[in-house]
Amino acid sequence: QSALTQPASVSGSPGQSITISCTGTSSDVGSYVLVSWYQQHPGKAPKLMIYEGSKRPSGVSNRFSGSKSGTTASLTISGLQAEDEADYYCCSYGGSTPFGVVFGGGTKLTVL
Amino acid sequence: QLQLQESGPGLVKPSETLSLTCTVSGGSISSSGYYWGWIRQTPGKGLEWIGSIHYSGSFYYNPSLKSRVTVPVDTSKNQFSLKLSSVTAADTAVYFCARHSGSYYEIISSWGQGRLVTVSS
Repeated sequence: QSALTQPASVSGSPGQSITISCTGTSSDVGSYVLVSWYQQHPGKAPKLMIYEGSKRPSGVSNRFSGSKSGTTASLTISGLQAEDEADYYCCSYGGSTPFGVVFGGGTKLTVL
Repeated sequence: QLQLQESGPGLVKPSETLSLTCTVSGGSISSSGYYWGWIRQTPGKGLEWIGSIHYSGSFYYNPSLKSRVTVPVDTSKNQFSLKLSSVTAADTAVYFCARHSGSYYEIISSWGQGRLVTVSS
């Protein structure tokens, strides 16, 4: 199970939209709509923001949306706000065993 | 509201066994449909799934750590644990306990606050 590939950093100004990509393989992201996204502020635990590719848990702003094309999943944050500045991680079912997840390396979002 | 809390030593000597416990409150570890697991985070390798267990005793471990990991569960105490043997400096990390859900338990829907464990003599 190899790690998923994310850009190290992205940035945007308040009010803008940004997209973070997450590239896997045909065995994981490419075969299942089972990608989740997590937001992590410094010193805190990750927080689930998107699951099953595009679904939002109760309480998560609709400014956060997810999608997938081929072996790449994406997280889009619209109407950027200062509190969105955080690290974001994607995660997918690994595909090769009955149980197991693989994570992306994380993307640091800076709100300018 | 479901809460998970890690506890255990923050310093472990090389070659010894790292032991952490996760106490679950606000819900039962015996609820069907969930696995309970451990994930660690290091600056160099990011987030890494370690292993997970169902209250029935079914378990899965990361193949890269399988030979050194056990995740026991104690339903009477609503707790599960992590035991990682023969630790080295590379095992220094923040360890999170978590609840898995979803079709393949790929959704990590709840996390503990994390416990920093340093491996050093």
